[in-house]
Amino acid sequence: QKEVEQDPGPLSVPEGAIVSLNCTYSNSAFQYFMWYRQYSRKGPELLMYTYSSGNKEDGRFTAQVDKSSKYISLFIRDSQPSDSATYLCAMSRFSNSGYALNFGKGTSLLVTP
Amino acid sequence: GAVVSQHPSRVICKSGTSVKIECRSLDFQATTMFWYRQFPKQSLMLMATSNEGSKATYEQGVEKDKFLINHASLTLSTLTVTSAHPEDSSFYICSARAERSSYGYTFGSGTRLTVV
Repeated sequence: QKEVEQDPGPLSVPEGAIVSLNCTYSNSAFQYFMWYRQYSRKGPELLMYTYSSGNKEDGRFTAQVDKSSKYISLFIRDSQPSDSATYLCAMSRFSNSGYALNFGKGTSLLVTP
Repeated sequence: GAVVSQHPSRVICKSGTSVKIECRSLDFQATTMFWYRQFPKQSLMLMATSNEGSKATYEQGVEKDKFLINHASLTLSTLTVTSAHPEDSSFYICSARAERSSYGYTFGSGTRLTVV
């Protein structure tokens, strides 16, 4: 079992829809949880990071962490065509490599006008 | 905000040659830098972690003699793919973390390597 599981999609929604992206993980040692957005052939861009269970909101984005269920989510409200990208969840824990990130496979999102 | 510059963005090389990829932190000192490889429609796979002034730590299955990492200063890390082969063609991305930051990872824009 991989440490981080993420449905690769693709996910297609109409403009204005609420998007829900999810990841599950198996290692309870993960401490920090992040969501990255990656456009084609570009490096990932940090959208949100959270540490504790609960919700964190930033504009149209809400990150949710449920440590008891080992489940994290990213919600995008009023989705726009410019939100079309691959969304990667990432988690970190301290290891011999320091705080290296473990990534999900990424979910490809397409927002149609 | 923290910016990481990665060069080149794209490189094509002949099989058997070596290619160097640079990763620079522009406005912060990066005590730790990470190198990832990403195949099409796959996740980022950590290859190695480099700490300034010490040897890199390679993940299991990554050949350290093939993927040479040098982190000679707090703002520069390089990845050299030696004796490249077509199977090394991939998207390579570096990431840097500022000191005292456990979550402040900033990524470079990536390097598309094609070995012909």
